[in-house]
Amino acid sequence: EAQVTQNPRYLITVTGKKLTVTCSQNMNHEYMSWYRQDPGLGLRQIYYSMNVEVTDKGDVPEGYKVSRKEKRNFPLILESPSPNQTSLYFCASRPSGTGGATWTEAFFGQGTRLTVV
Amino acid sequence: GDSVTQMEGPVTLSEEAFLTINCTYTATGYPSLFWYVQYPGEGLQLLLKATKADDKGSNKGFEATYRKETTSFHLEKGSVQVSDSAVYFCALSGSFYQKVTFGIGTKLQVIP
Repeated sequence: EAQVTQNPRYLITVTGKKLTVTCSQNMNHEYMSWYRQDPGLGLRQIYYSMNVEVTDKGDVPEGYKVSRKEKRNFPLILESPSPNQTSLYFCASRPSGTGGATWTEAFFGQGTRLTVV
Repeated sequence: GDSVTQMEGPVTLSEEAFLTINCTYTATGYPSLFWYVQYPGEGLQLLLKATKADDKGSNKGFEATYRKETTSFHLEKGSVQVSDSAVYFCALSGSFYQKVTFGIGTKLQVIP
C-alpha cells in the first residue's frame, strides 16, 4: 500500500531535549516536505527536499533541521525544542511530475502531535 | 508570493443541506488548484483537483470549478452527510511547482 509513515504519532517532551520525528514513504517520490498545522494558520511549510541531499527552507524553518540521505526518508529534527514548537506536524511526499508539472498530488502522513512543556 | 484565502468556520449544516466553501487565490502564472480533506485524527488526503482554467474537479459528490477570471475555486456539494464532517483545505501549486500553498482550512460540521 502506498503510504507516508510518520513516527511517533504523539510526543510530549521537555524544553531543550533533542528529538527526531521520522518520515518514510514507499512511493519513490522525489519531493518531500514537512508542515506544521496550527489553529487559524493552516499548514505552513517548514522544510522541503527536492531529492536526496537536496534540502531547503520553507516558510517557518527556525528551530528545525532536516536531512535527506535516502530517497524514502526525511526526518525532522528539533535540536532544542521550545514550547512555541508545540503543534501538529505533517510529512508529505509528491512525485516531481514531468517538465515541472504542478498537478501532482501530495500524499500525507497521519501526523505527529508534539507537545513541548 | 502565492496565497490562498478561505473562511475558517466552523460551518455547521444539517444533513442534506447544500454546501459551499469559498476559496480565492493569488498566484503568478497558471497554478494547479486542489481541495484536500482532513478527517478527525488523520492526515490530509486529496479530494479533487483542477489543473487549468474552466476545469471542473469532482469526487464523492463534491465539485469545484477553476475560475481564472475571479481567481476562485469554490467547493460545493448538493447534499452533505454526517460523514462529510471534516476540515477542508484549499491549496495551490504554482510558480514554484514543488511547493503546495494551503489555506487555513474550513471546519465543516454536519448534524443529523
